[in-house]
Amino acid sequence: GESVGLHLPTLSVQEGDNSIINCAYSNSASDYFIWYKQESGKGPQFIIDIRSNMDKRQGQRVTVLLNKTVKHLSLQIAATQPGDSAVYFCAENTGRRALTFGSGTRLQVQP
Amino acid sequence: GAVVSQHPSWVICKSGTSVKIECRSLDFQATTMFWYRQFPKQSLMLMATSNEGSKATYEQGVEKDKFLINHASLTLSTLTVTSAHPEDSSFYICSAFASGTSGGQYFGAGTRLSVL
Repeated sequence: GESVGLHLPTLSVQEGDNSIINCAYSNSASDYFIWYKQESGKGPQFIIDIRSNMDKRQGQRVTVLLNKTVKHLSLQIAATQPGDSAVYFCAENTGRRALTFGSGTRLQVQP
Repeated sequence: GAVVSQHPSWVICKSGTSVKIECRSLDFQATTMFWYRQFPKQSLMLMATSNEGSKATYEQGVEKDKFLINHASLTLSTLTVTSAHPEDSSFYICSAFASGTSGGQYFGAGTRLSVL
């Protein structure tokens, strides 16, 4: 079936560096994508979203890029901090408002 | 921002007993709520869509008689795991769709269920 997947299960970066987390999706009809951050034992926390009529959206220290041609989504975190360490999920809105989540990438920030 | 409260955060129960998990939207009304299950080191998998005033819609492979969902008001959905077994041990997370937002969902903090 349709799915949203991730390229890298674990990403380790040095504090202060920029992080890039990637996600591939397969449902070409998807028109809304969201990145969530999940810390251990907690629910997902909304980071940033983007609609399919955009290819880039910026937030505070975060940028989401969408490439519909290759069905690829990325999350860029600038000046990564120890508090950014968590598992990051991309999610796709399927149109019926339920979300399909990718497999997740663990971000480890080394001090 | 919108707040979703989930209770309890952690529950331990004996095999064969039932456990009820509550999901509340604190500052908005939610006609639709969603229940997800997450096993360790895995992603969130949608279990069911909870609709206020009507029956829940279950995903394929999810037993509706085992996972009872009640959405009796615009701010509360409950998930009852009936006759729980150790394989039901998981992290259960609810979310609510807030009308008027861009389409994102707001998640509860999750409930860790451990069945002995």
